[in-house]
Amino acid sequence: AQSVSQHNHHVILSEAASLELGCNYSYGGTVNLFWYVQYPGQHLQLLLKYFSGDPLVKGIKGFEAEFIKSKFSFNLRKPSVQWSDTAEYFCAVNVGGSSNTGKLIFGQGTTLQVKP
Amino acid sequence: EAGVTQFPSHSVIEKGQTVTLRCDPISGHDNLYWYRRVMGKEIKFLLHFVKESKQDESGMPNNRFLAERTGGTYSTLKVQPAELEDSGVYFCASSQAGGRGGTPKNIQYFGAGTRLSVL
Repeated sequence: AQSVSQHNHHVILSEAASLELGCNYSYGGTVNLFWYVQYPGQHLQLLLKYFSGDPLVKGIKGFEAEFIKSKFSFNLRKPSVQWSDTAEYFCAVNVGGSSNTGKLIFGQGTTLQVKP
Repeated sequence: EAGVTQFPSHSVIEKGQTVTLRCDPISGHDNLYWYRRVMGKEIKFLLHFVKESKQDESGMPNNRFLAERTGGTYSTLKVQPAELEDSGVYFCASSQAGGRGGTPKNIQYFGAGTRLSVL
């Protein structure tokens, strides 16, 4: 069965620090990859996605992620975090190609706390 | 355009009672998904509707859970009778019908969730 692993459950950073959140998945076929974010008191929002093409994808609010197929990874990065980035971040995948139903498989989530 | 809305936002019930959660997807979205997050665990898929038909209900925990989507619009998820382990946050998401390459159906929009507490 497919699974998604997020390496860090709780990350604390100071403003302006760089961020990298790890995400690995287990599935040998074609996948679509996502990072979602949930700010305090708000709903899950799509941060960025990868379907095909350039493995370096850029999302909203200065976030980017790199798909490394050989490592089954899709790590999220931001060069300089802000206090407003405090949120919970979820990596998710779904099976691509003809078997795609849209069903998402999530990692456990990473809580990011940015200190002002 | 209205987003995905879920009612209620929070429900507290006693073990053995019945609770019905509601999800209104974005208008025109054929795909509707239910997910659940038990405290401390990952968000897990429950089931998927395409219009009014259940496409995949492989994630439903047991037969105490019943989901419906009458007329292909809003959906309800009923838990009867509720057990302590049913506590968690229930998310609903919707997406458009699959287009070329399936891209539209892969972009899911989530509701704020219903926090269910079973005491």
